[in-house]
Amino acid sequence: DTGVSQNPRHKITKRGQNVTFRCDPISEHNRLYWYRQTLGQGPEFLTYFQNEAQLEKSRLLSDRFSAERPKGSFSTLEIQRTEQGDSAMYLCASSLGGTSGGADTQYFGPGTRLTVL
Amino acid sequence: AQTVTQSQPEMSVQEAETVTLSCTYDTSENNYYLFWYKQPPSRQMILVIRQEAYKQQNATENRFSVNFQKAAKSFSLKISDSQLGDTAMYFCAFMRWGAQKLVFGQGTRLTINP
Repeated sequence: DTGVSQNPRHKITKRGQNVTFRCDPISEHNRLYWYRQTLGQGPEFLTYFQNEAQLEKSRLLSDRFSAERPKGSFSTLEIQRTEQGDSAMYLCASSLGGTSGGADTQYFGPGTRLTVL
Repeated sequence: AQTVTQSQPEMSVQEAETVTLSCTYDTSENNYYLFWYKQPPSRQMILVIRQEAYKQQNATENRFSVNFQKAAKSFSLKISDSQLGDTAMYFCAFMRWGAQKLVFGQGTRLTINP
């Protein structure tokens, strides 16, 4: 399978703990995105990378959230001191971006479902 | 800021019928893109169809077509000859030209009944 993969698929943690999720994009995709989806809602943009550079961060991404893409391939999203309000599905997507300003097609992974007790 | 509104939380039709999902959006931009994504139960989101705002012709992909009304800021999805595999959440999404983030609506849960 050469699609976007995310690990783990499910994570249950206690409030106050730190968690880290991993996303492996489609090979050679230079852009990578993180979204958060709460129950019954559409995904909300969190952040996006072009290669290893983090180009945009949403105001939703508080100081407790950090994302990295150190070698321009896989990415990690860490949440420190988790809160119950962090419970959601965290989606990763990737795309092959050009320079024309046009819209890439974003390919989504299956998501990591986080439950904070 | 752009917003996307899907006013139909749930819809249900019989197999082989045609169904139309509604989407409206709010933006002051002139150049942008619109998308419909499908999220089947417990499966990942996939792109159904996309529309560039500068194109007047409505996009079509097999059984899926859109009705893009730029002045009305409306972007509906029509599914013809619906199939059981079309059962999913459908999300309408907006992207400003030059940006890379998608702004999604709340979704419409579509059920195709046999």
